[in-house]
Amino acid sequence: EPEVTQTPSHQVTQMGQEVILRCVPISNHLYFYWYRQILGQKVEFLVSFYNNEISEKSEIFDDQFSVERPDGSNFTLKIRSTKLEDSAMYFCASSEAEGTVGNEQYFGPGTRLTVT
Amino acid sequence: AQSVTQLGSHVSVSEGALVLLRCNYSSSVPPYLFWYVQYPNQGLQLLLKYTSAATLVKGINGFEAEFKKSETSFHLTKPSAHMSDAAEYFCAVSDYGGATNKLIFGTGTLLAVQP
Repeated sequence: EPEVTQTPSHQVTQMGQEVILRCVPISNHLYFYWYRQILGQKVEFLVSFYNNEISEKSEIFDDQFSVERPDGSNFTLKIRSTKLEDSAMYFCASSEAEGTVGNEQYFGPGTRLTVT
Repeated sequence: AQSVTQLGSHVSVSEGALVLLRCNYSSSVPPYLFWYVQYPNQGLQLLLKYTSAATLVKGINGFEAEFKKSETSFHLTKPSAHMSDAAEYFCAVSDYGGATNKLIFGTGTLLAVQP
C-alpha cells in the first residue's frame, strides 16, 4: 500500500541553525500539507501546497519557514533559523488530486525536531 | 471557525471492555469529521470519517462513531478492546473556510488497554 514517508525520524539541532525536513508524498497525490505537534499540544496546520505554490498558510508559518517541491517527488519544509519553540513533531500529509472537502489526507510517521 | 475538543487525554480500559473516546465539535456549517489513530513510531492513520452520508460511521479495526448534531458530538467506540488498540487517537474536523481543506485536530486521547 502506498504511504507517505518522512526523513529523518529525529533531528536535533542548535538554536539558530537551518533544518530541512523531507517528505515523499504518495506518488499520484497533488495536494501536500505540513502539520506540527508541540509536545502535549494539538496537531496544528502549518501550510498547504498545490501546483508548486502555497495554497494556504497558518499564522505559525512565518518568514522563517518555507516549503518546496524540488524534484517532483520530495516535499520539504525548511526552517531558516530555528528557535527553541520550534521543537515539535512535524507531520507531512498528502491527498488525492481533487483535494475536496472531506477528502482523506494520508500522513507520514513524522519527524521529531529537537532544538537545543 | 471549526474546532474539536477531546475529553480525556488518557483513557484506560481492560481487554474486552467497551472503548469510548469522546469528541465534541464546534462548527457554523455542516462539519466533516475524522478519527485518526497513531500507533507508536507510526504516522496518523484514518480510522473513519463522517461526510454527512450516514450518522453511524463504521471504520477499520471494529471502530465506529456516531454523529449527533443535537449534542455536537462524534464519539468513537469499540465494543471490545484488544491489546493492539493501545495508541493515541485524534479527532479532527475539516476546515473548508480557507483555500484548502486543512484539518483542525483535537489534543488527542492516549488509550491504554490493560490485560
